[in-house]
Amino acid sequence: DAGVTQSPTHLIKTRGQQVTLRCSPKSGHDTVSWYQQALGQGPQFIFQYYEEEERQRGNFPDRFSGHQFPNYSSELNVNALLLGDSALYLCASSLRGGSYSPLHFGNGTRLTVT
Amino acid sequence: DQQVKQNSPSLSVQEGRISILNCDYTNSMFDYFLWYKKYPAEGPTFLISISSIKDKNEDGRFTVFLNKSAKHLSLHIVPSQPGDSAVYFCAAKRVKTSYDKVIFGPGTSLSVIP
Repeated sequence: DAGVTQSPTHLIKTRGQQVTLRCSPKSGHDTVSWYQQALGQGPQFIFQYYEEEERQRGNFPDRFSGHQFPNYSSELNVNALLLGDSALYLCASSLRGGSYSPLHFGNGTRLTVT
Repeated sequence: DQQVKQNSPSLSVQEGRISILNCDYTNSMFDYFLWYKKYPAEGPTFLISISSIKDKNEDGRFTVFLNKSAKHLSLHIVPSQPGDSAVYFCAAKRVKTSYDKVIFGPGTSLSVIP
């Protein structure tokens, strides 16, 4: 039973560039959430996708956008990268966003912006 | 505003003794609480959860206690083992609100000394 998979594992980008991160949810899950984890902090909620729509959004600018595909996989796009966007980006999947289903996380994508 | 707080950034415990990790929350609408464990270079792993209708939930060596009136929960690990050394995140959500996000605390780094 495959868990949550994220790609790539590591990424180095230059300030001002754009990046796309990818996530495949755990088998049987239909909801994908994205989190940003800066060094020494807890995961910060970016947004959640269910039925290919953004259902909830955290306090992140419009430079952060996403998409969910019919097979439940998801992408996170960040435009006009800033040095402060350097962080671990975590994808988490669950079953039905409003349920008691806990989040299952991937191992993350470490993004470094130089 | 930090809705989930973990006021101890770190904790050291001798192997075999009890580890107690604490968490406070400010939003009285939260009705589902979770603990996650994170090793370096891995995503957070779900440990144990509790709904607001209970005050205790046990799973093996892990027990979570919830005090709704104090808006406080704690995770007890007995006995502590060196493999328990990791960062522990407390998290909360409102299940009754569809698609609500899971909010994480900043984490407590636990070191279990052999």
